[in-house]
Amino acid sequence: GAGVSQTPSNKVTEKGKYVELRCDPISGHTALYWYRQSLGQGPEFLIYFQGTGAADDSGLPNDRFFAVRPEGSVSTLKIQRTERGDSAVYLCASSLGLAGDEQYFGPGTRLTVT
Amino acid sequence: AQSVTQPDIHITVSEGASLELRCNYSYGATPYLFWYVQSPGQGLQLLLKYFSGDTLVQGIKGFEAEFKRSQSSFNLRKPSVHWSDAAEYFCAVGEYGNKLVFGAGTILRVKS
Repeated sequence: GAGVSQTPSNKVTEKGKYVELRCDPISGHTALYWYRQSLGQGPEFLIYFQGTGAADDSGLPNDRFFAVRPEGSVSTLKIQRTERGDSAVYLCASSLGLAGDEQYFGPGTRLTVT
Repeated sequence: AQSVTQPDIHITVSEGASLELRCNYSYGATPYLFWYVQSPGQGLQLLLKYFSGDTLVQGIKGFEAEFKRSQSSFNLRKPSVHWSDAAEYFCAVGEYGNKLVFGAGTILRVKS
C-alpha cells in the first residue's frame, strides 16, 4: 500500500513569506507526527496529532509555526514570516496510535528560506 | 528530559566485518528505544525497537540491539556488514514511543 507522502518535496521561499507543507498519512493511521531535521542533526519533534486534535505541540519552536489536521487524515504544517533559520527538512510520520507503535516516515519536504 | 547520545559521528568498516553503533540515553523510566536507518533520498526506516522483555532484540536486515539498563545503552550490532548497509543510523527514545527524541546520527561507510 501507499506510504506517507509529503508535498512539495522541495520548497524555496523568501524570508518573511508564508509556507504550507502537506502530509498524507497511511490510511487508517490515527496518529500523525511532524519533525524537523536540520543538516547534520537527528529529527527534532514538533507536534503530534491523535485524530484531529494536537495531543502534544510542545516542540513547536514559536508562534510562527502552526499545524492542523481538520479531518483526522491529511495534515498541514504552516509557517508564517519565515526566517532563514527555518531552513530544514520537515518530516512527517504516522502510526496506528498505540503506545510504541512504529512511526512510518515520509520522504520529507526540504524547505529553503533565502 | 530525555536525551540520546550517539558518540560516533562517522564509522568506517570493511565489507564483511562486524559492526557496533553506540547509543546512550537519558530517561527516568524504562524507555521505548528504537533504531532507524536513513539512506540518501529515502525516508527513515525502522530497524528494530525495544519496549520490555528480552533485552536482545532482533530487527530487519540482520541487525540486532541489546538494551543494558545499567549502562543506559542500546547499541546496534551486525555480524557481517554489506555494502548496502552504508547509510545514516539514528537511535531514538520515546515516552510511550510517541514523541521521539533522536540522537544526532552515525554515518556508516562501508569499504570494499
